[in-house]
Amino acid sequence: GAGVSQSPSNKVTEKGKDVELRCDPISGHTALYWYRQRLGQGLEFLIYFQGNSAPDKSGLPSDRFSAERTGESVSTLTIQRTQQEDSAVYLCASSPDFVSTDTQYFGPGTRLTVL
Amino acid sequence: DAKTTQPTSMDCAEGRAANLPCNHSTISGNEYVYWYRQIHSQGPQYIIHGLKNNETNEMASLIITEDRKSSTLILPHATLRDTAVYYCIVRDWQGAQKLVFGQGTRLTINP
Repeated sequence: GAGVSQSPSNKVTEKGKDVELRCDPISGHTALYWYRQRLGQGLEFLIYFQGNSAPDKSGLPSDRFSAERTGESVSTLTIQRTQQEDSAVYLCASSPDFVSTDTQYFGPGTRLTVL
Repeated sequence: DAKTTQPTSMDCAEGRAANLPCNHSTISGNEYVYWYRQIHSQGPQYIIHGLKNNETNEMASLIITEDRKSSTLILPHATLRDTAVYYCIVRDWQGAQKLVFGQGTRLTINP
């Protein structure tokens, strides 16, 4: 079946602009995660959603970052007033349920470049 | 979160077994050990996970020591396509089920 998809695959923006990144999880997956990966670094957790529960926003680096998810479908990650340090690959993952043994399936990521 | 320690890089000849070690000495009783890998310019890919017993699937084998303080991922017959960064992760049991990625091991398979 279809995996996790993300769009756009690449985004170049100017410093100070807002950007919106999209994630389409695997159908039926209730949990959705956003991570960030700077060049040459490991993944940093940003936020996760589980069904209708309040999202865990503990990884968001600043109030310029926000994310939404409608039900168990699409999620959008918004970065306001982008800065050069926001340049990274933004990865989305989904998993079937909220248990510790669930595998996370990752999308291909969105490469964000802030000039 | 329990932390993991992995070698920064490893090399392995094509066709040989690749053995990737991981130390997780502070792991707690209910935490699982997960392995993911990330091939260049792609999202991470799940490989295998385990709690106490050794595990095997079509991709790899996972050997966990009896005290659970370390583990080894084994790719039995490495191919060039196995060149990637391999992440050993102890799954966070408290609160969010996020994956906490370290720096991983950059495995290079040589022809």
